[in-house]
Amino acid sequence: EDQVTQSPEALRLQEGESSSLNCSYTVSGLRGLFWYRQDPGKGPEFLFTLYSAGEEKEKERLKATLTKKESFLHITAPKPEDSATYLCAVPSIIQGAQKLVFGQGTRLTINP
Amino acid sequence: GAVVSQHPSRVICKSGTSVKIECRSLDFQATTMFWYRQFPKQSLMLMATSNEGSKATYEQGVEKDKFLINHASLTLSTLTVTSAHPEDSSFYICSAGRVTYEQYFGPGTRLTVT
Repeated sequence: EDQVTQSPEALRLQEGESSSLNCSYTVSGLRGLFWYRQDPGKGPEFLFTLYSAGEEKEKERLKATLTKKESFLHITAPKPEDSATYLCAVPSIIQGAQKLVFGQGTRLTINP
Repeated sequence: GAVVSQHPSRVICKSGTSVKIECRSLDFQATTMFWYRQFPKQSLMLMATSNEGSKATYEQGVEKDKFLINHASLTLSTLTVTSAHPEDSSFYICSAGRVTYEQYFGPGTRLTVT
């Protein structure tokens, strides 16, 4: 069974304090790993897709990396507006149906 | 990124009535559309998967007669909550899927049943 585990569950940082969020995964065959950002009361916003170990993607203060077992979302010099829940997910084929297996998310708070 | 819209964003209805939520993929034709439910501070729970022109596939424990899904075109799916009760109050989110397995989510619909 494909699984995704995210850590930490919650993270509080001061503005400008860089850190990383972890997403560990076990899949029968990797069809991509997705990162989303979700703000309270909104649907998840697509951030990145990673397909192979060693791949990196960047967007503003965020950089996502991928190894064969885990992915990291690095946040450099974060600002309060980066506060959100960050979700990672892998696509899985279960009984012929396509689904996303999500981690529980990391709730990130950036204090000014 | 791809844009998915949902309408309405908020709806309040009386117990026993039905509510329809629309989900549109605005800039690509979705091979598959998905409906999720999310409770406060919890992760998304997949309710059903639908492909254009065919019947939806419901997750275990989701009542298909209560949550009617219609996927009329490659860009439109609707979820109808029939005979709604207070326990159906929740945040409903749709997504549109690409052949690359990526899913793009709508902004969500907050349903409150009084």
